[in-house]
Amino acid sequence: EIVLTQSPPTLSLSPGERATLSCRASQSVSSYLAWYQQKPGQAPRLLIYDVSDRATGIPARFSGSGSGTDFTLTISSLEPEDFAVYYCQQRSNWPITFGQGTRLEIK
Amino acid sequence: QLQLQESGPGLVKPSETLSLTCTVSGDSISNSNYYWGWIRQPPGKGLEYIGSIFYAGSTYYNPSLESRVTISLDASENQFSLRLTSVTAADTAVYYCARRLLGSDFDYWGQGTLVIVSS
Repeated sequence: EIVLTQSPPTLSLSPGERATLSCRASQSVSSYLAWYQQKPGQAPRLLIYDVSDRATGIPARFSGSGSGTDFTLTISSLEPEDFAVYYCQQRSNWPITFGQGTRLEIK
Repeated sequence: QLQLQESGPGLVKPSETLSLTCTVSGDSISNSNYYWGWIRQPPGKGLEYIGSIFYAGSTYYNPSLESRVTISLDASENQFSLRLTSVTAADTAVYYCARRLLGSDFDYWGQGTLVIVSS
């Protein structure tokens, strides 16, 4: 099974700042890497699929990049509603696996 | 607007079977463009993929749970279901149902339902 390691576990930033979240895979996942946002008490929401494609309705401040084993989710200028937990997920190899999450908190 | 809603007991005794149903509205579960899946999240922890079913009935289970999991589909009710046998406290989690587009990821999720395994 592919293990996804997210860093940092917690990221403390202020609104308006740029956030950079990382996801590293234990082996190549090609371009089959997605990112989700989860707020307390809510289901995850798909933000990015296939490394860099934004899901429907996702603001342009969210962008994804990377290839192979190293991937990044960037939020260009944090809005108050962006503070949440973010998960990466791969579907390159069976079974589908998720990272352990990065908590983005207000500084 | 597509909606998914989980339903089922919130409390299950150890060694018994957990059974949940996901009711889909706003789209047909027989749509050949989608998989229908289950994901769980233990309290305060991350997400774990349980498995999926395709409209034709093909199933795909996480090997870590495969011996205990069954996912089935009822097209007449536009529902799909999860059965997890021989549960323990480690199966306590919020259980989500979700839709996955062929060649893509989980784009619609239910709100989740908390299942506690306790005597």
